[in-house]
Amino acid sequence: NAGVMQNPRHLVRRRGQEARLRCSPMKGHSHVYWYRQLPEEGLKFMVYLQKENIIDESGMPKERFSAEFPKEGPSILRIQQVVRGDSAAYFCASSPRYGGGYEQYFGPGTRLTVT
Amino acid sequence: DQQVKQNSPSLSVQEGRISILNCDYTNSMFDYFLWYKKYPAEGPTFLISISSIKDKNEDGRFTVFLNKSAKHLSLHIVPSQPGDSAVYFCAASAKEYGNKLVFGAGTILRVKS
Repeated sequence: NAGVMQNPRHLVRRRGQEARLRCSPMKGHSHVYWYRQLPEEGLKFMVYLQKENIIDESGMPKERFSAEFPKEGPSILRIQQVVRGDSAAYFCASSPRYGGGYEQYFGPGTRLTVT
Repeated sequence: DQQVKQNSPSLSVQEGRISILNCDYTNSMFDYFLWYKKYPAEGPTFLISISSIKDKNEDGRFTVFLNKSAKHLSLHIVPSQPGDSAVYFCAASAKEYGNKLVFGAGTILRVKS
């Protein structure tokens, strides 16, 4: 059973460009979470999605960031017009069910560097 | 607003001894707690969890203790091994918040051989 897949592992973008981060959850998992880890900090929740639905985006910056989890294909975290402060590690996690008490399994992360 | 706190940035332990990592939380709505281990350039790996209805959960060398009245949990690793050297994150979730995890800042554990 393959784990959570993320690609690319490393992404370099110039200021003003767009960044697209992809996440394929574990087989059988229909819940996807995105987290961001800034240097020297813990992981911070960004968004929670199920297939074709955004359930909770309370951790997403109001502008430039969007996420989707289409019926077919991976979940995408999109950052438009990137700035230096977007440089971070972005982790995707998946879970088999909704509600408290279920572990989330993380992918290896995408390290975004904005130059 | 740090709802989950790991007050020790680092911990150094001799191989074979016990490692104790601590975590405090402020939100009484949290009903599930997890520990993750993370190596550099990798994603967090789930270690062990505990529901708020329990006060202890054990899995091999790892034991998590929960003290609800003190809003405190700890992870015990016995015996510690050099391969345990990593960053350990405490996380908490609540049904009401849709299972999203709130993480502490992490504790770097170094196990010396």
